[in-house]
Amino acid sequence: GENVEQHPSTLSVQEGDSAVIKCTYSDSASNYFPWYKQELGKRPQLIIDIRSNVGEKKDQRIAVTLNKTAKHFSLHITETQPEDSAVYFCAASIGDYKLSFGAGTTVTVRA
Amino acid sequence: DAGVIQSPRHEVTEMGQEVTLRCKPISGHNSLFWYRQTMMRGLELLIYFNNNVPIDDSGMPEDRFSAKMPNASFSTLKIQPSEPRDSAVYFCASSTDSNQPQHFGDGTRLSIL
Repeated sequence: GENVEQHPSTLSVQEGDSAVIKCTYSDSASNYFPWYKQELGKRPQLIIDIRSNVGEKKDQRIAVTLNKTAKHFSLHITETQPEDSAVYFCAASIGDYKLSFGAGTTVTVRA
Repeated sequence: DAGVIQSPRHEVTEMGQEVTLRCKPISGHNSLFWYRQTMMRGLELLIYFNNNVPIDDSGMPEDRFSAKMPNASFSTLKIQPSEPRDSAVYFCASSTDSNQPQHFGDGTRLSIL
């Protein structure tokens, strides 16, 4: 199958705390895993991605980890700020060009 | 870099009318994707072009939907005739090549009355 499951569907955190979103995928051939942030009424914006030859990648307050054996990957946001509030989508590559997207996680950062 | 440019941003029309959505990919990008986003079904790939050639249109819902890419800098998605269930946000995305980061346009919010 091509399903990507994403959890949780909603996440509320206190400003300054960390947020973690987890995704699992089913296609063992998937080798590219991007994460998108979508603010209300805006476009999905690529925030970080990882390929299967890497286990972890970090960009300032955002990090992604990948466990190929378990077929899951996670997004970690540290020191959350109100502007981090958005819907976050994970995705996994299917074949040479397709992306299978998770259902999204609505993150709310409480001030 | 202007990013992926879509027009119109909003479209409201009556069912039965023809709708044409437009997309200009990022210059130099060889791959172009049309997506539809709804609350119920999330982000769905409708069609994928590589070097202006449609590679995969398996996501196009039915024959009422068609897409073209006459050149490297322009693509259209057409719905004729439109139906209320076509109401959604339609995104165009482009990438330098297949399986490279996809960059989305601002989308067209389509409402069919």
